[in-house]
Amino acid sequence: GESVGLHLPTLSVQEGDNSIINCAYSNSASDYFIWYKQESGKGPQFIIDIRSNMDKRQGQRVTVLLNKTVKHLSLQIAATQPGDSAVYFCAENRPGGYQKVTFGTGTKLQVIP
Amino acid sequence: SQTIHQWPATLVQPVGSPLSLECTVEGTSNPNLYWYRQAAGRGLQLLFYSVGIGQISSEVPQNLSASRPQDRQFILSSKKLLLSDSGFYLCAWSHGAGEQYFGPGTRLTVT
Repeated sequence: GESVGLHLPTLSVQEGDNSIINCAYSNSASDYFIWYKQESGKGPQFIIDIRSNMDKRQGQRVTVLLNKTVKHLSLQIAATQPGDSAVYFCAENRPGGYQKVTFGTGTKLQVIP
Repeated sequence: SQTIHQWPATLVQPVGSPLSLECTVEGTSNPNLYWYRQAAGRGLQLLFYSVGIGQISSEVPQNLSASRPQDRQFILSSKKLLLSDSGFYLCAWSHGAGEQYFGPGTRLTVT
């Protein structure tokens, strides 16, 4: 069936470097994508979102890129900090009726001081 | 501002015992409500969602059930817990096709 998946389960990055977390989706009808950050023992928190009519969106130190041609989504974190260590989930929203979001399996980001 | 509460934070229950987890939302009305389960080191599995009082949709067959007795109250229940029900249970709310806001979660251990 349709699914959202992540390329890498764990990513280790040196503090101060940029991080790139990738996500592939397979439902071409998805029109809304969200990145969440989940710290250990806590619920996920919204980071940034992007709609399918855009290919780039920037926030504070984070940028999301959407490539609809290859169904690929990425989250870029600039100047990665120890507080960025967490599991990051991408999620796709399928249109039609009730809102249902499909979450990927997650990528664990480890920041090396 | 909106807040979402879940309780209890942690729970240890024997196999075969009943379960009741509660989730309440403040500061908003007519939210969509969700229950997710997350196994250790894994992603989120949607269990139930609700778009209104008494309206529950189940995503996966299981021995859990959900109820929404009030607009901002969502309850997850089981009559008899299984070992496989252990996990981190998350409640979330949203308004339509927007981001979801998650509660702090309940860690359930079935022994």
